[in-house]
Amino acid sequence: QQQVKQSPQSLIVQKGGISIINCAYENTAFDYFPWYQQFPGKGPALLIAIRPDVSEKKEGRFTISFNKSAKQFSLHIMDSQPGDSATYFCAASMPDTDKLIFGTGTRLQVFP
Amino acid sequence: EAQVTQNPRYLITVTGKKLTVTCSQNMNHEYMSWYRQDPGLGLRQIYYSMNVEVTDKGDVPEGYKVSRKEKRNFPLILESPSPNQTSLYFCASSRDLLSSYNSPLHFGNGTRLTVT
Repeated sequence: QQQVKQSPQSLIVQKGGISIINCAYENTAFDYFPWYQQFPGKGPALLIAIRPDVSEKKEGRFTISFNKSAKQFSLHIMDSQPGDSATYFCAASMPDTDKLIFGTGTRLQVFP
Repeated sequence: EAQVTQNPRYLITVTGKKLTVTCSQNMNHEYMSWYRQDPGLGLRQIYYSMNVEVTDKGDVPEGYKVSRKEKRNFPLILESPSPNQTSLYFCASSRDLLSSYNSPLHFGNGTRLTVT
């Protein structure tokens, strides 16, 4: 119930292509869904986040699509660049909590 | 610069030898927490603190202790480390509860611990 399932585990994309990472959850009480980006040797950093009352949020080349009925959300990276090569984590949290439940991570490699 | 600082970055120790990983934040954040990151498991919360002297268990608290005597500091203590605590540890802080939406978690750069 508390899990967030993330796929794929790794992703290789050509420069300029679209990267798509998917996550699914079971607990309908989750009310906050962030994506974190982690570069080697660094801590995760917030990339973009969404609440379940909207179906899509876009910030630059990064878009979250949210499907409340299917209990799924995904990260789309348009025009992927080599600098986007990193590990991406989806996450979810319950109301009135400081805890994030993380997915298992996706290692993205963007080749020139 | 607003940041969460962890020390040390790397630590190799032996089974049973007590150790402390320090964490300090300069953002006057109320909430602090510790996570461990393991391949294939993502990040899992160990302990969290909502304010000075207020701490509570996360999902994987066994074998760990924490204390919050000052707002800025939140050390992680392993009284008797074991090999299954070999992991990458992250300290994090936030101004408010995550559900406030404008208060993201800020992570430190991690401490890689190896217990032999």
